[in-house]
Amino acid sequence: GDSVTQMEGPVTLSEEAFLTINCTYTATGYPSLFWYVQYPGEGLQLLLKATKADDKGSNKGFEATYRKETTSFHLEKGSVQVSDSAVYFCALKTGANNLFFGTGTRLTVIP
Amino acid sequence: DAMVIQNPRYQVTQFGKPVTLSCSQTLNHNVMYWYQQKSSQAPKLLFHYYDKDFNNEADTPDNFQSRRPNTSFCFLDIRSPGLGDAAMYLCATGGFGLSTYNEQFFGPGTRLTVL
Repeated sequence: GDSVTQMEGPVTLSEEAFLTINCTYTATGYPSLFWYVQYPGEGLQLLLKATKADDKGSNKGFEATYRKETTSFHLEKGSVQVSDSAVYFCALKTGANNLFFGTGTRLTVIP
Repeated sequence: DAMVIQNPRYQVTQFGKPVTLSCSQTLNHNVMYWYQQKSSQAPKLLFHYYDKDFNNEADTPDNFQSRRPNTSFCFLDIRSPGLGDAAMYLCATGGFGLSTYNEQFFGPGTRLTVL
């Protein structure tokens, strides 16, 4: 079945450090891929998405490229800020309505 | 702004006492979802409505029910909450058939505490 495997956390970085959170997926068909962010006490917000192979999603300095050959959608940011501290979820969606989430990666950025 | 609204944000109930969580949307989306998210876990889909058609996930307990009286509103009813039902409940919407049909828009969630 469809699934997402996400890098386990927690991840702690200093401000301005480079961030990578790994995400790989298993899916039948051609999924769309997403990164959602959840700030403390809040719901999920869509951070970025890619709907086909080689697409790059980007938002707020974050980027992820849909790599079909490696079935990956790794999240990167060149210089993290304290305000980026949150839990990040990788997710996929095929033709059905269900979003399959990874287990989430908690990021803490320290000044 | 178009959005997904959940009320209340925090709900406390007693063991076995029925509780209803509310979700409304101004996006005019035809699909509405309910997810359960326990601490430090990924959201888990409970069920969804495609218009008025109800779709239950196979492993959703019978204790959880839902109602969608119109396009804008959807309710989650927990008939007899147990301690294991304490969680964040997330409502989401999706507009099937639109260019963003495969994107879901989430509300802020309702955190349920069971005493």
